[in-house]
Amino acid sequence: DTAVSQTPKYLVTQMGNDKSIKCEQNLGHDTMYWYKQDSKKFLKIMFSYNNKELIINETVPNRFSPKSPDKAHLNLHINSLELGDSAVYFCASSQTGEMVYGYTFGSGTRLTVV
Amino acid sequence: GQNIDQPTEMTATEGAIVQINCTYQTSGFNGLFWYQQHAGEAPTFLSYNVLDGLEEKGRFSSFLSRSKGYSYLLLKELQMKDSASYLCAVRDKYNQGGKLIFGQGTELSVKP
Repeated sequence: DTAVSQTPKYLVTQMGNDKSIKCEQNLGHDTMYWYKQDSKKFLKIMFSYNNKELIINETVPNRFSPKSPDKAHLNLHINSLELGDSAVYFCASSQTGEMVYGYTFGSGTRLTVV
Repeated sequence: GQNIDQPTEMTATEGAIVQINCTYQTSGFNGLFWYQQHAGEAPTFLSYNVLDGLEEKGRFSSFLSRSKGYSYLLLKELQMKDSASYLCAVRDKYNQGGKLIFGQGTELSVKP
């Protein structure tokens, strides 16, 4: 199936731990994103990569580090997790010049820090 | 600054028509998107408007007025499965640096 897939779907971990979330898209898109959705369902951009190059880096703590090994993959590593990091993290992708098709979102990773 | 406003909640009856409004003030504009998000699921793309006017797609239509910073999503012949959150989002730039800026979403409840 063509899609944006992210793993894991659920992640429960203790404060202070380090964790990673992986994302892959097989749509052939050139741009990938990480969005965070908080408890009020507000979706906010964190990072964007275009052809492996970081192009958007919003005001995000430097404990969050994205990595894009190739244009089909965008991973998110989080160090020293805090309670406030609990949220749903969505990966998304899009193709430059083809906004008529919108951004395609992955199914999300629900991170719970205890 | 960037600001996108939409009502927090709406309720409508099965078979009826509902209009969800969105107003925006952003530093740039390169299109307005509507997404549907069911609880616990990913947002799914509904519509894209970049020019003024109405775009129709089956039971869903979306309207844009750039001069007024205003859009609406119109849902006709409502079905129970349309109960979801509807997200209005503006893309702020044309190039690869553009990002989607989302409103807080409108939770629509469709009742029998």
